[in-house]
Amino acid sequence: DGGITQSPKYLFRKEGQNVTLSCEQNLNHDAMYWYRQDPGQGLRLIYYSQIVNDFQKGDIAEGYSVSREKKESFPLTVTSAQKNPTAFYLCASSIFHTGANQPQHFGDGTRLSIL
Amino acid sequence: GEDVEQSLFLSVREGDSSVINCTYTDSSSTYLYWYKQEPGAGLQLLTYIFSNMDMKQDQRLTVLLNKKDKHLSLRIADTQTGDSAIYFCAEKISERMDSSYKLIFGSGTRLLVRP
Repeated sequence: DGGITQSPKYLFRKEGQNVTLSCEQNLNHDAMYWYRQDPGQGLRLIYYSQIVNDFQKGDIAEGYSVSREKKESFPLTVTSAQKNPTAFYLCASSIFHTGANQPQHFGDGTRLSIL
Repeated sequence: GEDVEQSLFLSVREGDSSVINCTYTDSSSTYLYWYKQEPGAGLQLLTYIFSNMDMKQDQRLTVLLNKKDKHLSLRIADTQTGDSAIYFCAEKISERMDSSYKLIFGSGTRLLVRP
């Protein structure tokens, strides 16, 4: 079945450590997105990518980095510069066509905690 | 600016109808979406409506759009305990400078269905 796979489901980070969250999709979608969700809050966009080898900062990109070397993959690195990384991270993908209906399809999320 | 607002909490009795409301500010919205999030999971797309429509019905779900007031609602008929979850509305806007787009999410409405 087509879908979006995020791994791991739970991740722990030590102080000063970078960690990478994986997101893979087999939906043949051009666009991919990373969101952060804090308790009782909506989703905030971290980074998004419309095409391979290109990505844009979202609303809260500081302390995060991404790459888009393959269409299927959009890993997110939470760097040590992100001082409050504890959150639920959601990856999404969609077709990319200006003006069209482009619902985003989500993975099951990765919960990151600080040790 | 772009903003989407929802009430935080709704409690209904099993078998009753639920109405979840959402207001948005961006008049350039083209599509509006409703997502459902169960505990510890990602967002599941429930339904969507195009901005030139007033109403859309899909089985137990009815979406009403008042574009003049920028008000969107989701009605769930015959609400079941399995409908207990957080419901997010989202609007698609266009960033015209580079033809990219993003979804703006509300902070979510927690629906509790009492037996």
